[in-house]
Amino acid sequence: ETGVTQTPRHLVMGMTNKKSLKCEQHLGHNAMYWYKQSAKKPLELMFVYSLEERVENNSVPSRFSPECPNSSHLFLHLHTLQPEDSALYLCASSHTSGGASDTQYFGPGTRLTVL
Amino acid sequence: QKEVEQNSGPLSVPEGAIASLNCTYSDRGSQSFFWYRQYSGKSPELIMFIYSNGDKEDGRFTAQLNKASQYVSLLIRDSQPSDSATYLCAVSINSGGSNYKLTFGKGTLLTVNP
Repeated sequence: ETGVTQTPRHLVMGMTNKKSLKCEQHLGHNAMYWYKQSAKKPLELMFVYSLEERVENNSVPSRFSPECPNSSHLFLHLHTLQPEDSALYLCASSHTSGGASDTQYFGPGTRLTVL
Repeated sequence: QKEVEQNSGPLSVPEGAIASLNCTYSDRGSQSFFWYRQYSGKSPELIMFIYSNGDKEDGRFTAQLNKASQYVSLLIRDSQPSDSATYLCAVSINSGGSNYKLTFGKGTLLTVNP
């Protein structure tokens, strides 16, 4: 495996379900990110982790709970979601976080549908 | 609020023509500028980045940066139907102190007609 991988690629869940999204990066990077991409809106940064420490949380509802057990893995735990949370969830990684020239590389995304 | 603006398009060009994609940004302190390409249903992939004023060329792609005008553009020469995608402009914007975060525009949809 190379680059940034995400599983599952597609997820359909009810509002009362609990599920988790997984991201793994094979680039030796120290920073990982979760983004949400909804139709006709810019990519929205949700969370940033640097060396397994959360450095940014962009006012994301508590029904989204991130976890970063090590610098290669990132999870997004989901519970009691709303239909408006349906979107493409993208994971990205970069060498460092917060640097002016950090280049981020994206995983393939998880297409989430909340019924 | 620090923003990145792009014309949402669609921008339609004939095959072989030059496609010109534009982006403006509000934060004068921005340091780095990125262009990503996103095919429908796929994730963004980095095309190129630019840090200094002027032009930067990579194959058929040229990024142009004018910090005084807060303007960055991407030119695609000899456009091919396979270039049809949404192009995202991303700007590294200061989020406080020495920290920067990437802020994306909404993207411009480019269609190259055979």
